[in-house]
Amino acid sequence: GQQVMQIPQYQHVQEGEDFTTYCNSSTTLSNIQWYKQRPGGHPVFLIQLVKSGEVKKQKRLTFQFGEAKKNSSLHITATQTTDVGTYFCARRDMTSGTYKYIFGTGTRLKVLA
Amino acid sequence: DTAVSQTPKYLVTQMGNDKSIKCEQNLGHDTMYWYKQDSKKFLKIMFSYNNKELIINETVPNRFSPKSPDKAHLNLHINSLELGDSAVYFCASSQDQGLSGYTFGSGTRLTVV
Repeated sequence: GQQVMQIPQYQHVQEGEDFTTYCNSSTTLSNIQWYKQRPGGHPVFLIQLVKSGEVKKQKRLTFQFGEAKKNSSLHITATQTTDVGTYFCARRDMTSGTYKYIFGTGTRLKVLA
Repeated sequence: DTAVSQTPKYLVTQMGNDKSIKCEQNLGHDTMYWYKQDSKKFLKIMFSYNNKELIINETVPNRFSPKSPDKAHLNLHINSLELGDSAVYFCASSQDQGLSGYTFGSGTRLTVV
């Protein structure tokens, strides 16, 4: 299956600034998941989006699924140093009747205090 | 209690050696996975087992052999290790074919010298 492209690859922001990462697919997605991986850590599931145009919030994090279900975004308002890490989107892929999640290329966020 | 635990956390070994990584989950999930994360942070699925049955086998050299003695355990054995095998290997588990997200282990950092 095709890898999902994420932009930007890297982002450095000053603490307090906003941050957005975008996940783009050339094909329609059935759903999209987002994960966060702290430096030296493991990916942690954040959320899943299923419906066209869906918007979900978790405190300072806002997740959106595009109307055409071909892209998604994660926006962090007023970043904090605890937001440092790599953010991955993951799309569901079905091959031979088996589902798996293919992870995006990731966006590495660095927050400068 | 750790939900998905992997051992060892670090593994340094010489080229040509054979090594194993073990994974156990206590979440009662029916599907387990092995993912490989390279130095660029790309996360790529290798294998998946559902109730001890191999359901996903990506294009992985046959030096890699997974084994699932029961649905709570998934091990990975690697023969004749090569320099290019150096990476972080993550075990993960899920229920409902991943619709509730994957739970990852803390990873095994394999360094082949």
